[in-house]
Amino acid sequence: QVQLVQSGAEVKKPGASVKVSCKASGYTFSRYSMHWVRQAPGQGLEWMGIINPSGGSTSYAQKFQGRVTMTRDTSTSTVYMVLISLRSEDTAVYYCARGEMATMNQFDYWGQGTLVTVSS
Amino acid sequence: QSALTQPASVSESPGQSITISCTGTSSDVGSYNLVSWYQQHPGKAPKLMIYEVSKRPSGVSNRFSGSKSGNTASLTISGLQAEDEADYYCCSYVGSSTVVFGGGTKLTVL
Repeated sequence: QVQLVQSGAEVKKPGASVKVSCKASGYTFSRYSMHWVRQAPGQGLEWMGIINPSGGSTSYAQKFQGRVTMTRDTSTSTVYMVLISLRSEDTAVYYCARGEMATMNQFDYWGQGTLVTVSS
Repeated sequence: QSALTQPASVSESPGQSITISCTGTSSDVGSYNLVSWYQQHPGKAPKLMIYEVSKRPSGVSNRFSGSKSGNTASLTISGLQAEDEADYYCCSYVGSSTVVFGGGTKLTVL
């Protein structure tokens, strides 16, 4: 069965960076895109970006450009999301979500979420 | 890219039907038949309910349906059940390999 397993919760200080991983299993890793979506406490969903595991190409939401980097390791079927220059507003649950290549926003499987807390 | 506009909350009685709207622009919802809908219960990851405006994934109840007219997409839930009480989010492709979510709608089943 398809599973996306994310790394554990993180506590970071303002200005630091965080790296969240998402390990995929149960399907052919290169055939589906992977997206990152975050949700601040009590707030809605916010799309951050996409990575194509096949070639590694990425596209980021304008809001995060320059601060976010998404990479993948095909040998372990894992994608990574690094967010730098953290501020308190980045406190959120970060989700990875599998997407269909052709339709872009058909997120059929989600990770369990990783809580990132930014606090001094 | 601005978030799509959804009503903050809606409510209806069990057994009734309800429609949640999702309003975008001619650059997003109006340009692509790539609108999806997600259900999220408290403390849980979102669940895909509708994709490509009106298609239902396997396992999703046929009480859920989607449609689109112009720049507005809609999610209709018929025969409301207590378990449908959740937050609902629409999502649209906006071009250039980017996507945007709606602000979310809290559904209360009275």
